[in-house]
Amino acid sequence: AQTVTQSQPEMSVQEAETVTLSCTYDTSESDYYLFWYKQPPSRQMILVIRQEAYKQQNATENRFSVNFQKAAKSFSLKISDSQLGDAAMYFCAYRSANNQGGKLIFGQGTELSVKP
Amino acid sequence: DADVTQTPRNRITKTGKRIMLECSQTKGHDRMYWYRQDPGLGLRLIYYSFDVKDINKGEISDGYSVSRQAQAKFSLSLESAIPNQTALYFCATSKQGAGNTGELFFGEGSRLTVL
Repeated sequence: AQTVTQSQPEMSVQEAETVTLSCTYDTSESDYYLFWYKQPPSRQMILVIRQEAYKQQNATENRFSVNFQKAAKSFSLKISDSQLGDAAMYFCAYRSANNQGGKLIFGQGTELSVKP
Repeated sequence: DADVTQTPRNRITKTGKRIMLECSQTKGHDRMYWYRQDPGLGLRLIYYSFDVKDINKGEISDGYSVSRQAQAKFSLSLESAIPNQTALYFCATSKQGAGNTGELFFGEGSRLTVL
């Protein structure tokens, strides 16, 4: 069974600085998707970024980028120029590309605080 | 209006009571999911449904049941609520087939407290 691990329950960053959130996963599959979701205090789950395993190029969305290391099964999220609005819980998630119902497997979450 | 709507948003109930959480979506997606969020555990899958006639258990289905009344509606029931079912519950949808980007689209969550 696939698992996702976020080993940092809490992280803190100074406004305008860069922070990296870690995520590792375990799978025997070669084709899959990885995601980072953001959950602000409003508790809405917001997709931040998506990576397809067959793509070698790391995904980027504005100030958010990932470091996808397939062999190491690592998928970290880098937030550049951190803003107060980035403060939230961040979840890493895995989805098989096979027909397994499209369900996502989530990590435990990392609570990010941003200091002004 | 939200594409995925959950009701109620917040609910406090007592042990032993029957509770239903409802979810409706306007995204036209076939697949729907119920997840539970607990601190330090992330989101865990309770049930998921491919269509009205196809319902599957997730990793933590004990104590829960679901009903897919229509493509757009998927409800979660707790027949006899217990305190350790206190959690934040999410409904989600995903697209099947062509154009499937793999992501889930979430409702705004239902906070359930069982006293």
